[in-house]
Amino acid sequence: EVKLQQSGDELVRPGASVKMSCKASGYTFTDYAMHWVKQSPGQGLEWIGTIIPLIDTTSYNQKFKGKATLTADKSSNTAYMELSRLTSEDSAVYYCARRGGIGTTSNWFAYWGQGTLVTVSS
Amino acid sequence: DIQMTQSPASLSASLGETVTIECRASEDIYNGLAWYQQKPGKSPQLLIYNANSLHTGVPSRFSGSGSGTQYSLKINSLQSEDVASYFCQQYYDYPWTFGGGTKLELK
Repeated sequence: EVKLQQSGDELVRPGASVKMSCKASGYTFTDYAMHWVKQSPGQGLEWIGTIIPLIDTTSYNQKFKGKATLTADKSSNTAYMELSRLTSEDSAVYYCARRGGIGTTSNWFAYWGQGTLVTVSS
Repeated sequence: DIQMTQSPASLSASLGETVTIECRASEDIYNGLAWYQQKPGKSPQLLIYNANSLHTGVPSRFSGSGSGTQYSLKINSLQSEDVASYFCQQYYDYPWTFGGGTKLELK
């Protein structure tokens, strides 16, 4: 069974950074890209970026370049996303989601983590 | 960016009814479309990919169709557990984008 276990909710100060994790199990971690998605009440669902763990290659939504940094640790089957210079606009639920297939065109989100709620507040 | 417009934004239907949700892309996305279901407090779950392929374990009362810029999700014989929000997503071109969602309630 494919499972993506995300780290716990975060309360962070404006201007700070936060790093969240997504531990994968039930499949070969390096076979599939991992996407990250933001969900906020005002903006709906937004794709942030994708990392291919096998070759540590990333692609980002232009909107999130400079805001999000994606990494992956193959030894622990864990993907990470760091968000920097946080503002109230970054308050949202963040999901990791595994690519649907091995092929590079299979960019639907087949399996999702449970989400990490980030609240930015002083 | 490709804009995805969903309709209706909300929908009320009775048990056993057939429901259709539409998604229109701002340009041809060549069947690069997925549908997701999200229940309150839960993460989205994949229903359909490649416009009409049913994801593993999804009940057959869900189906997808369409081509070009127009796509639809149909739910046959609505069940109580289908009360949720539904989203479309295009993955034909970067950045991948989502529709605004359709909230489905029971009448």
